[in-house]
Amino acid sequence: QVQLVESGGGLVKPGGSLRLSCAVSVSDYSMSWIRQAPGKGLEWLASISSSGMTIYYADSVKGRFTISRDNTKRSLYLQMSDLRAEDTALYYCARDRTVTHYGRYFDYWGLGTLVTVS
Amino acid sequence: DIQMTQSPSSLSAFVGDRVTVTCRASQSIVNYLSWYQQKPGKAPKLLIYGASSLQSGVPLRFSGSGSGTVFTLTISSLQSEDFAVYYCQQYNNWPTFGPGTKVDTK
Repeated sequence: QVQLVESGGGLVKPGGSLRLSCAVSVSDYSMSWIRQAPGKGLEWLASISSSGMTIYYADSVKGRFTISRDNTKRSLYLQMSDLRAEDTALYYCARDRTVTHYGRYFDYWGLGTLVTVS
Repeated sequence: DIQMTQSPSSLSAFVGDRVTVTCRASQSIVNYLSWYQQKPGKAPKLLIYGASSLQSGVPLRFSGSGSGTVFTLTISSLQSEDFAVYYCQQYNNWPTFGPGTKVDTK
C-alpha cells in the first residue's frame, strides 16, 4: 500500500523560508506537490520525475519553490522561499500517474502539512 | 492555462438519489480528465481518470463520461458516505482543477 506522509509545515513570517518533506513508501514514480488554501480549491505546484532529472513548476511558484527528492531516503522535498501570505495553505504530496510530459493525474495523496505565512 | 469550471457549486440530495456534477474545460482536453472526492479533513481521493475509467476500489455507483470540453460525474444511488466535495482535474496540459462541487444532505 502506498503511503505518503508530509511534514515540515508551520508558521513563518512573510519573506521567510520553509522546507517541506514527504516520506514516500515507493520511489519509482514521479511525484508532485499540490496545495489547498483555506476554504479554496486545489493548485498543482511542481512535479519531479522518479530519477529527479526532470522537474516542472507552476508559474505561480517558479523561482521561489524548489522540488527535489532523495530516493535513498525515500523522501520528497519542497524548499519554499520568499513566502507570501497567499502561500498559506495545506500542502499535499501526491503520486503522479504521468500521461504526457506535462499531463498527469494523482492516485495517492498524503494528509498534508499546513503552512501559515503571517 | 486551461480553466476548469464546475456546476453546480453545491447541491443537496437524499440518500438514494442520482447525482450528476458537470465539469467544463476552457478548451478541448480530449479525455484527459480525472475526478476526486474530498471529505472534511481528508486528502482528495482519485475516483475516475481518463474521463470514464474507474480507479481500483471505487464503488461502481460512480461513473464518468464526456470528451472534449464537457464532462460529467454521476453517482447512481447516493450513499451517506458520498457526502463530500468533488473536484475535476484536467491533464491535457499542466494540471488544473475545477473549483469543486459540494454534495450535502437535503
